[in-house]
Amino acid sequence: AQRVTQPEKLLSVFKGAPVELKCNYSYSGSPELFWYVQYSRQRLQLLLRHISRESIKGFTADLNKGETSFHLKKPFAQEEDSAMYYCALSRNFNKFYFGSGTKLNVKP
Amino acid sequence: EPEVTQTPSHQVTQMGQEVILRCVPISNHLYFYWYRQILGQKVEFLVSFYNNEISEKSEIFDDQFSVERPDGSNFTLKIRSTKLEDSAMYFCASRGTSGRYGELFFGEGSRLTVL
Repeated sequence: AQRVTQPEKLLSVFKGAPVELKCNYSYSGSPELFWYVQYSRQRLQLLLRHISRESIKGFTADLNKGETSFHLKKPFAQEEDSAMYYCALSRNFNKFYFGSGTKLNVKP
Repeated sequence: EPEVTQTPSHQVTQMGQEVILRCVPISNHLYFYWYRQILGQKVEFLVSFYNNEISEKSEIFDDQFSVERPDGSNFTLKIRSTKLEDSAMYFCASRGTSGRYGELFFGEGSRLTVL
């Protein structure tokens, strides 16, 4: 069965510190993986996709098939990065599986 | 910038009542979805819809649930006889065929409270 696990409910870092939000998945085929973000009082929106190897707002994520992970990283966190982050997996775009989310709190 | 809109933003209903949640997807999108999020839990897939029929549905989407695209612009989720456990935030999403491939555009959600 497909599953997305985000082990941390809350991650607090200081501004300027590196941040890594963990995501592990279980899937038997080749998944499409995404990170979605929800800023305070805003709607859920796409941050980045593994397929395009994007860097968005300084965030990157590498798909590690051996470890079945898709961790989100940023070398220097900013206060405006504080938000809820969801890792998501899809096999055919008919169905997306979301993790339970990690709340990132960047302290000044 | 075009957005997915959802109404109502909050609905309170009595257990056993029918509820219809409405969504207006982005106009040139072809794929539509409903998700829900019970407070404190993950965003759960309910159903996907394409070409006027359900593409895929989850185990949650039982006979009490139905979706419709009645007029080419609205996409509705009906819960026939609400239960307490249906209380959740319901998100509509749509997806196009251009732009960032695979990107879901979400509405702001409809909060359903079943008493």
